[in-house]
Amino acid sequence: DAGVIQSPRHEVTEMGQEVTLRCKPISGHNSLFWYRQTMMRGLELLIYFNNNVPIDDSGMPEDRFSAKMPNASFSTLKIQPSEPRDSAVYFCASSFSEGHYEQYFGPGTRLTVT
Amino acid sequence: AQSVTQLGSHVSVSEGALVLLRCNYSSSVPPYLFWYVQYPNQGLQLLLKYTTGATLVKGINGFEAEFKKSETSFHLTKPSAHMSDAAEYFCAVRGSSASKIIFGSGTRLSIRP
Repeated sequence: DAGVIQSPRHEVTEMGQEVTLRCKPISGHNSLFWYRQTMMRGLELLIYFNNNVPIDDSGMPEDRFSAKMPNASFSTLKIQPSEPRDSAVYFCASSFSEGHYEQYFGPGTRLTVT
Repeated sequence: AQSVTQLGSHVSVSEGALVLLRCNYSSSVPPYLFWYVQYPNQGLQLLLKYTTGATLVKGINGFEAEFKKSETSFHLTKPSAHMSDAAEYFCAVRGSSASKIIFGSGTRLSIRP
């Protein structure tokens, strides 16, 4: 299995620009999670989906952040407009909801907003 | 509510010494417990998990953890540290809602030559 795939691996953008991060979960997994990791705040859960439906978006920092999962094999996290404080590593993870909850993480997208 | 406390944000041991990373949890449901490892510039990787059954769980790279219900603990150990073990380690417990797991704040493990 290819594991969780994220793209791009690195993104550098200017403040005010739109950023779109992409994730392909492991085939057969029906839960998908977006996390953000920074030195100051550690690992934060932003939003998660079960069977393509958003279940909990309470971790999304503000309305500039949005996430979609149009089908079982693809999800996006969008930031519009981006700000320097959004600089972080963003991880996508997937799991099988009928299993034992273990999540499998992608390699992450390192976002730098200048 | 579910929560995880990792004691010590940074642990340093000598190569060849015992590694002990501490984790205590709180859970209102039978706990599923996890340890993840994160190497520099990589995603989190599942090291081991406890769901039911045997309380001593063996994972990859020689690590193991013991579930102690009476102490609400799930400490991670390795008998002999290797330089390649230097990484961030996260303890986690399943959440009350479907699929979610709650992560601790992490412990950075350093290995001295």
